[in-house]
Amino acid sequence: EAEVAQSPRYKITEKSQAVAFWCDPISGHATLYWYRQILGQGPELLVQFQDESVVDDSQLPKDRFSAERLKGVDSTLKIQPAELGDSAMYLCASSLDGTVSQLYGYTFGSGTRLTVV
Amino acid sequence: AQKITQTQPGMFVQEKEAVTLDCTYDTSDQSYGLFWYKQPSSGEMIFLIYQGSYDEQNATEGRYSLNFQKARKSANLVISASQLGDSAMYFCAIMSEAGSYQLTFGKGTKLSVIP
Repeated sequence: EAEVAQSPRYKITEKSQAVAFWCDPISGHATLYWYRQILGQGPELLVQFQDESVVDDSQLPKDRFSAERLKGVDSTLKIQPAELGDSAMYLCASSLDGTVSQLYGYTFGSGTRLTVV
Repeated sequence: AQKITQTQPGMFVQEKEAVTLDCTYDTSDQSYGLFWYKQPSSGEMIFLIYQGSYDEQNATEGRYSLNFQKARKSANLVISASQLGDSAMYFCAIMSEAGSYQLTFGKGTKLSVIP
């Protein structure tokens, strides 16, 4: 069964340090999403890509967060500098297109659990 | 803007019994989709069931069914014959079909199945 790959699985970093997360969507999935899930909350969208283009990054804290999907395949989410409040699960998801998403939702990766100390 | 409200932070159910997890939503869209996801302690989000706003019949997927009451703006998840492996967080989510196909999630309900 096809999966969305994410790495690392866990990351501990000191505040003010830089950290990066990687996501490889299911082959052929044009749409890629990064969500942040704070403990005890539901996931919240950070950024949405369609191929290599950003569709929506209105919720991305651009002073410290950046996201790219250079070749329209895998994607990297970076935080610099990390703050204590960034501790959360970062989930990547992909979908074929909007129509299919309505029927099957997205496919999520296993996430990267970030702890900032 | 869309909003999902899950008012049950935690629920307990006896093994083999049925349980209903509540979800209400708010949207100004005419066309939208409602989803339920399961999140075990390992962290991944597992898609369970989908209901379109124009679907007249309630969605069912195996032991999962969605009790859709459009006038009340509710989309409750019913799990029949609960199993120990059903213990997890459950999230209700809404997707606008107006173009962005983004999911907006509720805060979730933690379900614990008791042997």
